[in-house]
Amino acid sequence: LAKTTQPISMDSYEGQEVNITCSHNNIATNDYITWYQQFPSQGPRFIIQGYKTKVTNEVASLFIPADRKSSTLSLPRVSLSDTAVYYCLVGEGNTGFQKLVFGTGTRLLVSP
Amino acid sequence: EAGVTQFPSHSVIEKGQTVTLRCDPISGHDNLYWYRRVMGKEIKFLLHFVKESKQDESGMPNNRFLAERTGGTYSTLKVQPAELEDSGVYFCASSQEQGYYEQYFGPGTRLTVT
Repeated sequence: LAKTTQPISMDSYEGQEVNITCSHNNIATNDYITWYQQFPSQGPRFIIQGYKTKVTNEVASLFIPADRKSSTLSLPRVSLSDTAVYYCLVGEGNTGFQKLVFGTGTRLLVSP
Repeated sequence: EAGVTQFPSHSVIEKGQTVTLRCDPISGHDNLYWYRRVMGKEIKFLLHFVKESKQDESGMPNNRFLAERTGGTYSTLKVQPAELEDSGVYFCASSQEQGYYEQYFGPGTRLTVT
């Protein structure tokens, strides 16, 4: 399993763009990169998944460089409600390997 | 569409007692997972069902934990007898697709063993 490293915490203000970088130096060829978000007293919630280059949805963008040894989750114009823990996960897709391996995550605090 | 539901939301029991947690996955989801976070630690995988069969139970900590999914619908996780170190939040998740796709998590059951 590819181990991930991400900052323990980040602070931001409303309206700013937040970029959270995750390092996964041992990522395997078949691995996908997935980000989950967790609010207090809730279960984790899927945000975005990608394999290479850039993926964008209505919530975030995910940037993956060519070597895939890191990835960056970008949250545009954050609001107070984006305060949460963000987890970067790496795992094999398409072949039935299914258990999610969570790290410590990045605790994002958005202030007014 | 209803999400993943878990019952109870909070359980407080004494050491040595038995507790059963229940998870109702999203309708039609064949895959059901249990995870837990004990105090100060990361969320850890416990086991995975595909329909009523245990696909992977490598994360189950010991034989005091028993998970079932009769009929391939809801699942129960029984802890018997409970120990202090079992305290934590137990999450259930379900998914429709095979592979490393989106898993939908429930709100969790907070278990406190005193």
